[in-house]
Amino acid sequence: QSVLTQPPSASGTPGQGVTISCSGSSSNIGSNTVNWYQQLPGTAPKVLIYSNNQRPSGVPDRFSGSKSGTSASLAISGLQSEDEADYYCSAWDDSLNGHVVFGGGTKLTVL
Amino acid sequence: QVQLQESGPGLVKPSETLSLTCAISGGSITSSYWNWIRQPPGKGLEWIGCVYYSGRTYYNPALKSRVTISADTSKNQFSLKLTTVTAADTAVYYCAKFLGPYTNWFDPWGQGTLVTVSS
Repeated sequence: QSVLTQPPSASGTPGQGVTISCSGSSSNIGSNTVNWYQQLPGTAPKVLIYSNNQRPSGVPDRFSGSKSGTSASLAISGLQSEDEADYYCSAWDDSLNGHVVFGGGTKLTVL
Repeated sequence: QVQLQESGPGLVKPSETLSLTCAISGGSITSSYWNWIRQPPGKGLEWIGCVYYSGRTYYNPALKSRVTISADTSKNQFSLKLTTVTAADTAVYYCAKFLGPYTNWFDPWGQGTLVTVSS
């Protein structure tokens, strides 16, 4: 059972948009910033969005992040087949001396 | 450009200690926090803990009693020890960098190393 809650799956057709949610609590998302990772099959995750809504260089602007209260969202517009991957959210949790928490991951299928 | 490379045994017996090392190239261990993250086959990511070069550590509360993460500044590497392993500790283990607890996006990551716990 992950501390951050994500839907296990999401899907969309090429060109469509999709949103993945990440729900937490006051000790994690409610107090700290959220990061998003993309994991392509057989590879290590890579950071997609950091500090709620910042994109590292090289990440297309089709990817965007937002946060409100104790929830965050990753939006992907103009879906492409190469976006098919697992997506994870993470945040710092201030409880129990501080630690990182992850969401359980969302598998995105491009139909 | 910092690069990370995990190394260690791919097979560990139940009840023994899992030991892994992450070598840092292209940067200094004194610049950031250094993390271990694992992923059981077919499952999600689990943060294990992190270390600063000074020795300051943070651990996952669920694993804290079995985990030690340490930094070796002379070798520019850091290590993970996980004691009393069981089959549930079978996973791909990744090392990764972040700047600090409140700048905690992981970048970069190592390629990962599969550790299987089996007799």
